[in-house]
Amino acid sequence: EVQLVESGGGLVQPGGSLRLSCAASGFTFNNYFMHWVRQAPGKGLVWVSRISSDGGSTMYADSVKGRFTISRDNTKNTLYLQMNSLRAEDTAVYYCARVEYGNIPYGYWGQGTLVTVSS
Amino acid sequence: DIQMTQSPSSLSASVGDRVTITCRASQGISNYLAWYQQRPGKVPKLLIYAASTLESGVPSRFSGSGSGTDFTLTISSLQPEDVATYYCQKYNSAPWTFGQGTKVEIK
Repeated sequence: EVQLVESGGGLVQPGGSLRLSCAASGFTFNNYFMHWVRQAPGKGLVWVSRISSDGGSTMYADSVKGRFTISRDNTKNTLYLQMNSLRAEDTAVYYCARVEYGNIPYGYWGQGTLVTVSS
Repeated sequence: DIQMTQSPSSLSASVGDRVTITCRASQGISNYLAWYQQRPGKVPKLLIYAASTLESGVPSRFSGSGSGTDFTLTISSLQPEDVATYYCQKYNSAPWTFGQGTKVEIK
């Protein structure tokens, strides 16, 4: 069974840092591109970042470029999102999601982890 | 960047009604369009990809159509379990932008 389990969320002050993790199981992790998507409380879905299957190619939304870094450890079947210089507007539930073969998006999602940026 | 605009933002319909949600891209995206359902308090679920291909396990009352800039999600006979917010998403290239969502309620 495919499982994606996020962790690492919590309360952080503006300007602070946080690293999210997404532990994958039930599939061959290093065969799949992975994304991060976020959702502010009561708001819609927003794409954040993407990483290729081997980690060699990454892309970011303009709103997080230069502050967030996506990475993966295929030996640990884990996806990461390093978030620096956090702002109040980064407050959201962060989901990791798997891209399916054929570039079909998000057949599987994690349950999400809440990041709250507040003083 | 290409913008994705859904309409309406919300709708209320009766059980058994036919419901249509529209998603418009500001530039052509061929058929690189997905639809998701997010029930209250739940994780989003993929319904349709490639504009009209039904994801495995999704009820056949859901259908998608369109290509280029204009797309439609149709629920042929609305059921109580379809109460949710529906999102479209383009995936031809980055950024993989979502529409703002359409909230569907039962009248």
